[in-house]
Amino acid sequence: DAGVTQSPTHLIKTRGQQVTLRCSPKSGHDTVSWYQQALGQGPQFIFQYYEEEERQRGNFPDRFSGHQFPNYSSELNVNALLLGDSALYLCASSLVSRSSGNTIYFGEGSWLTVV
Amino acid sequence: GNSVTQMEGPVTLSEEAFLTINCTYTATGYPSLFWYVQYPGEGLQLLLKATKADDKGSNKGFEATYRKETTSFHLEKGSVQVSDSAVYFCALSDPGTGFQKLVFGTGTRLLVSP
Repeated sequence: DAGVTQSPTHLIKTRGQQVTLRCSPKSGHDTVSWYQQALGQGPQFIFQYYEEEERQRGNFPDRFSGHQFPNYSSELNVNALLLGDSALYLCASSLVSRSSGNTIYFGEGSWLTVV
Repeated sequence: GNSVTQMEGPVTLSEEAFLTINCTYTATGYPSLFWYVQYPGEGLQLLLKATKADDKGSNKGFEATYRKETTSFHLEKGSVQVSDSAVYFCALSDPGTGFQKLVFGTGTRLLVSP
């Protein structure tokens, strides 16, 4: 059973460029969330997708956008990259539920360096 | 808003020592509580969870009890190994939105020496 897979694993971009990160959720999961983890910090929630719509959003600017496809996979797009966007971007998948106790599974992450 | 506070690290221990990593939370309602572990260069792995007051989560010798009266979820292990060296994150799941999301603490690095 494949877990959460992300690509690419590492990438380097220049300030002002745009980046797209990709995620395939764990088999059977229908909800995908994205988190940003700056060096030495805990992950911060960016947004969450279910049924191809953004359902929740954290405190991130509109430069961060996303998409979910009919097969539940997802993309995170960041425009006009800033040095401060350098971080590990984690994709998480789960089953939609109004219970707060479901396990959320994380991928290995995509390391983004902005120079 | 909801938040999680963890003790600052690094925590440095010798092999077979007792481990405690403190975690307290602030939340409205009744969140679920989690401990995740991150090994060097890797993503997050769920270590254990508890979904209601007085629940004890346990896995791989680690334990944590959901204490509503003290709003705490401290992580403990009786005898640590070198392989336990990692960063540990305490997190809560916001129960009020209908869709689950996690709020994390800043993480505590554990270093275990032989």
